[in-house]
Amino acid sequence: SQTIHQWPATLVQPVGSPLSLECTVEGTSNPNLYWYRQAAGRGLQLLFYSVGIGQISSEVPQNLSASRPQDRQFILSSKKLLLSDSGFYLCAWSPNWDYNEQFFGPGTRLTVL
Amino acid sequence: AQSVTQLGSHVSVSEGALVLLRCNYSSSVPPYLFWYVQYPNQGLQLLLKYTSAATLVKGINGFEAEFKKSETSFHLTKPSAHMSDAAEYFCAVSDIGGSNYKLTFGKGTLLTVNP
Repeated sequence: SQTIHQWPATLVQPVGSPLSLECTVEGTSNPNLYWYRQAAGRGLQLLFYSVGIGQISSEVPQNLSASRPQDRQFILSSKKLLLSDSGFYLCAWSPNWDYNEQFFGPGTRLTVL
Repeated sequence: AQSVTQLGSHVSVSEGALVLLRCNYSSSVPPYLFWYVQYPNQGLQLLLKYTSAATLVKGINGFEAEFKKSETSFHLTKPSAHMSDAAEYFCAVSDIGGSNYKLTFGKGTLLTVNP
């Protein structure tokens, strides 16, 4: 069966510091991968998605970036965090065929102070 | 472009009462539809999905939803609410096939269950 991991689970960072969140998927190959953010009371915002190694599509211009160095690894980064980057970050994967049902990881709670 | 509207950002019911969470969608092609549930500080979990088979879809935890094409709706119901159903619920739509790799989510409905 497939599993998706995210780490860290929680993170408190000062404004201006760098960020690296990691997501890995097990038990499948060539998945589509997604990064979402949930800010308080604002629903799910799709940040990036990837359909293959090195292929990243950005949905929202911001100071975040994403990379996919391996088939089942998806990384979310920032060089300098802003207060507005606080939120709950979710990684998800879907099979690269059929109806795009997405499976979500447990999330990372980021607080920028 | 697809869109999803969830009527009511917050729904409150008594334990044992009917749960009805509303979802309307717009899509230029027949859609696939999903309901997800999110408990506090957790990821989203799939409750049920409509993929162009039976229009009445049964999911986990006693939930079901009915696809009504004429009303462009996919409302989520449960006959009798439990305290454990308190969570946020998201409706999502995906176009069938093609190169669309994304789901479009509604803004969510927070369900509160009162004892």
